[in-house]
This record gives sequence, C-alpha cells and structure tokens, in this order.
Amino acid sequence: QQQVKQSPQSLIVQKGGISIINCAYENTAFDYFPWYQQFPGKGPALLIAIRPDVSEKKEGRFTISFNKSAKQFSLHIMDSQPGDSATYFCAARGDSNYQLIWGAGTKLIIKP
Amino acid sequence: DAGITQSPRHKVTETGTPVTLRCHQTENHRYMYWYRQDPGHGLRLIHYSYGVKDTDKGEVSDGYSVSRSKTEDFLLTLESATSSQTSVYFCAISETETGTLYGYTFGSGTRLTVV
Repeated sequence: QQQVKQSPQSLIVQKGGISIINCAYENTAFDYFPWYQQFPGKGPALLIAIRPDVSEKKEGRFTISFNKSAKQFSLHIMDSQPGDSATYFCAARGDSNYQLIWGAGTKLIIKP
Repeated sequence: DAGITQSPRHKVTETGTPVTLRCHQTENHRYMYWYRQDPGHGLRLIHYSYGVKDTDKGEVSDGYSVSRSKTEDFLLTLESATSSQTSVYFCAISETETGTLYGYTFGSGTRLTVV
C-alpha cells in the first residue's frame, strides 16, 4: 500500500523539551525515508534521512529512529527551540515510479 | 530559494480560465517536480520530468498538463481552472530521482486561488 501515516497533526512542546513525530508505512519495499522541514511561506527542505539498514541516525539535535519490523520511523528533536517551530513531513520512497510518498505533516510549535 | 524560482508567487483567477505556472532553475538538475500542498494532504505529486521533453504523471494529474522544452524551465498548466485547484503549488528539483543524495530543493511556492 502506497501510504505513509503521520502523527500527530499538531504538537506543542516547551522549550528545551523533546519533540517526537511518528510515521508508519505498510509497503516493505520502501527503501528511503527522509524528513523535511517547512517554515511558513517557504518550500520544504530536507532535514535528515535514513535507509532501512540502520536503526538510528543522528544529526545534531535531530534523530531518526527506524523500526523495520514495526514499519515505523520517528523524528526526535532534542532540546527543542522556538526556531524549530515549523511543519515537518515524513516521506518514503515508493516502489512505483520511485516517487516519494509523503505524510500529511505535523505542525510543531515550541513554546518559549 | 537558491537556484529555483517560481512565478507568479500569487495568482487569483476565474473558474474556467487557463493558468500557467512557471518553475525556473539554475542548477542544471535533471529531475523537476510539481506538487500541490493542501491542509491534511501533505504534498501530492502532479507531474514530474526526468529530462527535456520527458514527463510523467503523478497521483493527481487530472486537469493539469506540463511542458519542459529546456532543462531550466518546467511549466504547469491548468487547462480550465476549477475551485478544487485552489492550492499552493510547489516546484522541486533534484539531482537524483527521489533526492536520495541531497534531497529535493523546493521553490517558495505559488498560491493560486480560483474564484
């Protein structure tokens, strides 16, 4: 099935806290899982990506955790800052035309 | 956004009129994409191009056509605009087919309102 389900739709986190956004997929043929960050009035920008042969990837305060058996992956933002307030999209590379399948997005607000 | 520009940034048009949106890149990337973004739907692929005059349909291509006569330009045409096509349209470019090396670079979007 060519779907990626993202949750929650919106999230409010206190400054300094951990933000967690989850995505789930059905198709085991998916082989590339990026996260994009979008600020208001701008297009999305690649934040971090992972392939299914690793269980975790960390870049600064951003970490992807990948659970292949559960077909789930999540984005963790440590020490969340007001500047992290944005909409986050997960995606997966599908096996049909090798296009990205996108989650519906999560609007993250970090309260100072 | 560096290397990719969309025009116009905003447009209001009437139902039934044709509309063309332009995406221009200076990166010489092979792959170009048109997406629409609507609340609750994320990004949905309309059409994409893998080279000059090489295009293919995405998941929501009905009512849209594209053309790519030069590497740097990718045009999206709404043949007869309908209110359901009110949306924010994004163009994206990439060096690889799904941006697996450096990701997609998106333009700043065109907000289209069909009245």
